[in-house]
Amino acid sequence: GENVEQHPSTLSVQEGDSAVIKCTYSDSASNYFPWYKQELGKGPQLIIDIRSNVGEKKDQRIAVTLNKTAKHFSLHITETQPEDSAVYFCASLGEAGANNLFFGTGTRLTVIP
Amino acid sequence: SAVISQKPSRDICQRGTSLTIQCQVDSQVTMMFWYRQQPGQSLTLIATANQGSEATYESGFVIDKFPISRPNLTFSTLTVSNMSPEDSSIYLCSVGFWQETQYFGPGTRLLVL
Repeated sequence: GENVEQHPSTLSVQEGDSAVIKCTYSDSASNYFPWYKQELGKGPQLIIDIRSNVGEKKDQRIAVTLNKTAKHFSLHITETQPEDSAVYFCASLGEAGANNLFFGTGTRLTVIP
Repeated sequence: SAVISQKPSRDICQRGTSLTIQCQVDSQVTMMFWYRQQPGQSLTLIATANQGSEATYESGFVIDKFPISRPNLTFSTLTVSNMSPEDSSIYLCSVGFWQETQYFGPGTRLLVL
């Protein structure tokens, strides 16, 4: 089955700086890659996603890039704010894997005011 | 996106008892899923709840321990049976459509003593 690795496990940045979280996947048939933000005591919230026919997608301060050849994708948050502090999960949806989402291990982002 | 609610939001249970968690979505959806998130960990898919038929369980999860019902396209239940402290986790339902984005509920925080 699919294996998704995520780095780093923790990340601290100064407010206003950028944050980058990277994930790799193993199944070359995977074609959909969402990112979720989970705040304390809440369920994961979808923040951005990308499909395999696109190399980059941006939504205000958040962007995701995908390199299918290398089988990795990254989340970029610019101009970080304290409310960006949360745990971020990447995930992969394998083409042949029914509808299973395979999650990375999570990155705890702390934005220091 | 869909509005998803879960009941209860949290519970403390005694070992050997069972707890049924409800998931309600505000619109008809094709797919409903149940995930487990152990403390400080990532999300693991327990099963896909199929409307009108038996749930599809992932490796390591069995129907006797986690019976699931899905009587219609907006509602599902997950029962955690014969609980032990190792079952202490967050249980999350998610909804979506085939090969599309999944949206998560707020989760049920379970502590087994």
